[in-house]
Amino acid sequence: NAGVTQTPKFQVLKTGQSMTLQCAQDMNHEYMSWYRQDPGMGLRLIHYSVGAGITDQGEVPNGYNVSRSTTEDFPLRLLSAAPSQTSVYFCASSYSRGPSSYNSPLHFGNGTRLTVT
Amino acid sequence: EDKVVQSPLSLVVHEGDTVTLNCSYEVTNFRSLLWYKQEKKAPTFLFMLTSSGIEKKSGRLSSILDKKELFSILNITATQTGDSAVYLCEAPGSARQLTFGSGTQLTVLP
Repeated sequence: NAGVTQTPKFQVLKTGQSMTLQCAQDMNHEYMSWYRQDPGMGLRLIHYSVGAGITDQGEVPNGYNVSRSTTEDFPLRLLSAAPSQTSVYFCASSYSRGPSSYNSPLHFGNGTRLTVT
Repeated sequence: EDKVVQSPLSLVVHEGDTVTLNCSYEVTNFRSLLWYKQEKKAPTFLFMLTSSGIEKKSGRLSSILDKKELFSILNITATQTGDSAVYLCEAPGSARQLTFGSGTQLTVLP
């Protein structure tokens, strides 16, 4: 079982460059999300999606775009990279998340370590 | 604003010790609290707690939720070096603020 697959594992960008972090899951989960993890700050939600065609902003969405054209894929786009976006990025999926559910556990990808110089 | 606070931020113990990790929360529309273990890469799920006072147990790990006092604890007995990790607490509230604590870094020395 592949679970949640993120690519690339490492990336170095120059300020102003753009790139897309890829995320795919094979568990038929409706809910997918992107987090960034910085030292001492835990996991912060960037964007999330409750199903194909539906996306919404999390706590720290500025500088990032997402789309959800299929249930399986949820790419994260950095529009114009800045040093403040240096972080470890995690994609996660879940069977059920929302106001009427118990919030089933998140399944995480192995992360992308991004450095912006 | 929703808030999840974990303590201590870090903890160093020796093999065989028992540890207690704490997670307090102030979350609107609270329905569940989840614990994860993060070693070198992705967090992995440990427990989900939805009811107050009912202990969840898996081997040497156990966890309990107190919905009146708004906290949860994660206990690890007879610690081993393989328990060294960051332990994350998550208390999902509104979808926009699926809230994680900053984690407890546990180091178990041989």
